Amino acid sequence: QKEVEQDPGPLSVPEGAIVSLNCTYSNSAFQYFMWYRQYSRKGPELLMYTYSSGNKEDGRFTAQVDKSSKYISLFIRDSQPSDSATYLCARPNYGGSQGNLIFGKGTKLSVKP
Amino acid sequence: DVKVTQSSRYLVKRTGEKVFLECVQDMDHENMFWYRQDPGLGLRLIYFSYDVKMKEKGDIPEGYSVSREKKERFSLILESASTNQTSMYLCASSIPGTSGSGVYNEQFFGPGTRLTVL
Repeated sequence: QKEVEQDPGPLSVPEGAIVSLNCTYSNSAFQYFMWYRQYSRKGPELLMYTYSSGNKEDGRFTAQVDKSSKYISLFIRDSQPSDSATYLCARPNYGGSQGNLIFGKGTKLSVKP
Repeated sequence: DVKVTQSSRYLVKRTGEKVFLECVQDMDHENMFWYRQDPGLGLRLIYFSYDVKMKEKGDIPEGYSVSREKKERFSLILESASTNQTSMYLCASSIPGTSGSGVYNEQFFGPGTRLTVL
């Protein structure tokens, strides 16, 4: 299965809440995942990437891969209105042409002040 | 900083018109991509190119063609625009393998062109 599955939301939370964004994937051999953030009327930009299982932290953001359940997550602590955006998970298209990424459909997040 | 620019932010065309969307990147990237993005459908790959004059079909190439005559420029062509091609079009570029920041296959996106076909 090619797709990375992602709940499209929308997700609305109050400022300061902990946000959990999730994706599932089909093949346990996949090890490399990315999270892109896309503000309204802009192109996506890379937020974080993770390799293999475990956690990776960058400020208020934590990316987590659970290989046993084929689950990837992005946690946002102390969410801010400026975090309001669409978040897309992605993985390299292994076996396809080099450079291709497979994107989830994106989860739209709104953080209310 | 990598910069990917697209020729127009907003474009309105008539059904049947030939439409050109231009994308330019300034980081000497080998790979360039054209996506369309629609609500509920996410990013869908139309075409990509891994070298000058080279192209490969993505998931939804029907009704589109591309041109890459120079490494920095990748054009998307709608031969005869139709209303179902109304969408946000995003261009991206990347190097194959690991980028300077250590990220594998990182794609850099332009700001997008919102195309409306009437």
